[in-house]
Amino acid sequence: QKEVEQNSGPLSVPEGAIASLNCTYSDRGSQSFFWYRQYSGKSPELIMSIYSNGDQEDGRFTAQLNKASQYVSLLIRDSQPSDSATYLCAVAQYNFNKFYFGSGTKLNVKP
Amino acid sequence: KAGVTQTPRYLIKTRGQQVTLSCSPISGHRSVSWYQQTPGQGLQFLFEYFSETQRNKGNFPGRFSGRQFSNSRSEMNVSTLELGDSALYLCASSLDKDGYTFGSGTRLTVV
Repeated sequence: QKEVEQNSGPLSVPEGAIASLNCTYSDRGSQSFFWYRQYSGKSPELIMSIYSNGDQEDGRFTAQLNKASQYVSLLIRDSQPSDSATYLCAVAQYNFNKFYFGSGTKLNVKP
Repeated sequence: KAGVTQTPRYLIKTRGQQVTLSCSPISGHRSVSWYQQTPGQGLQFLFEYFSETQRNKGNFPGRFSGRQFSNSRSEMNVSTLELGDSALYLCASSLDKDGYTFGSGTRLTVV
């Protein structure tokens, strides 16, 4: 079982719609959760961090964490073609100094 | 503030040669991690250094090695290069309990 699981996609949504990206993790000791965006040929860019249950909002992005169900999600409202990228979920276990990435979900936003 | 700096950006090497890649983390960041990314593959963890000590290591052969200096700058070395080592090598730094910030990467081509 992988530490972090993501659907590889591609997830296709029309421009202006809400894109919902999901991620599950295996270790209940995980403490910090992150979403990265990676454009083709570029390095990953940190876009959201979340540390406690509930929602964390930043502009059009909302990260949601449910530790009981061991899942993290990222909602992108009013999706734009420029949001088309691969989104990587990452999970940190600081007691053991571990940091794990999922394999990423490719998002296509169609004009 | 300055981001994570990786040098060189591009590199072409011949099979059997060795290569050294350099990474300068964000000032104050003591944790540096290295990842390999090939087309269609997720981020493959190589190793992580914290205060000059290798704290974690991924499942790569011993040809891959690294080190961290007292100023937190890090280098990774690959000896006896193989064609399969062609990849984007990413360095990332962290304050250690925050998300990682990535450099632009070094694209290595082995011919």
